[in-house]
Amino acid sequence: DAGITQSPRYKITETGRQVTLMCHQTWSHSYMFWYRQDLGHGLRLIYYSAAADITDKGEVPDGYVVSRSKTENFPLTLESATRSQTSVYFCASQLAGASNEQFFGPGTRLTVL
Amino acid sequence: SQQGEEDPQALSIQEGENATMNCSYKTSINNLQWYRQNSGRGLVHLILIRSNEREKHSGRLRVTLDTSKKSSSLLITASRAADTASYFCATAGNTGTASKLTFGTGTRLQVTL
Repeated sequence: DAGITQSPRYKITETGRQVTLMCHQTWSHSYMFWYRQDLGHGLRLIYYSAAADITDKGEVPDGYVVSRSKTENFPLTLESATRSQTSVYFCASQLAGASNEQFFGPGTRLTVL
Repeated sequence: SQQGEEDPQALSIQEGENATMNCSYKTSINNLQWYRQNSGRGLVHLILIRSNEREKHSGRLRVTLDTSKKSSSLLITASRAADTASYFCATAGNTGTASKLTFGTGTRLQVTL
């Protein structure tokens, strides 16, 4: 039972390059989320998805693009990476319903030079 | 902006002592959740308390919720070295986006032998 996985775990890229972070879950959870974690800010929601082909912006969506063609996958793309996007990115999934916990992946540490 | 703010930002105690962390939030909520994050790992759900509940227990954890003061506390009793981690409160809103969580900045707990 793999649960929720993220790849790559570590990524170094340069300013202006496109980067895609992958997230895969094996539970068929309806909801999936992308967060970034920065010192002093806690976790901030970038985008979320309620189901396949349904996505919506979170608190800090600028500079990011998501898609969800399949329930189990929720890739996050930085179309033109900037240094301010250096962060740790976490993907999470959740069963439909507000009173359910979120399950987090192990995170991707992204450095933009 | 952050919904939850944790207090204290850092806490250092000895094994066997109790640890108390507090969380304040700004708007009405559906529920409030606490998560733990070990260094370099993803977040793990600890406990959820609904807006109509005042106290909840799970093992060595006790959570209280005061909606009139918009605050919650997490008590860890008889702490162990393995409890060393960061602890985050997260609130689920009281609207159609109730599945979205807003995280606080966290409390770093250090439990020493």
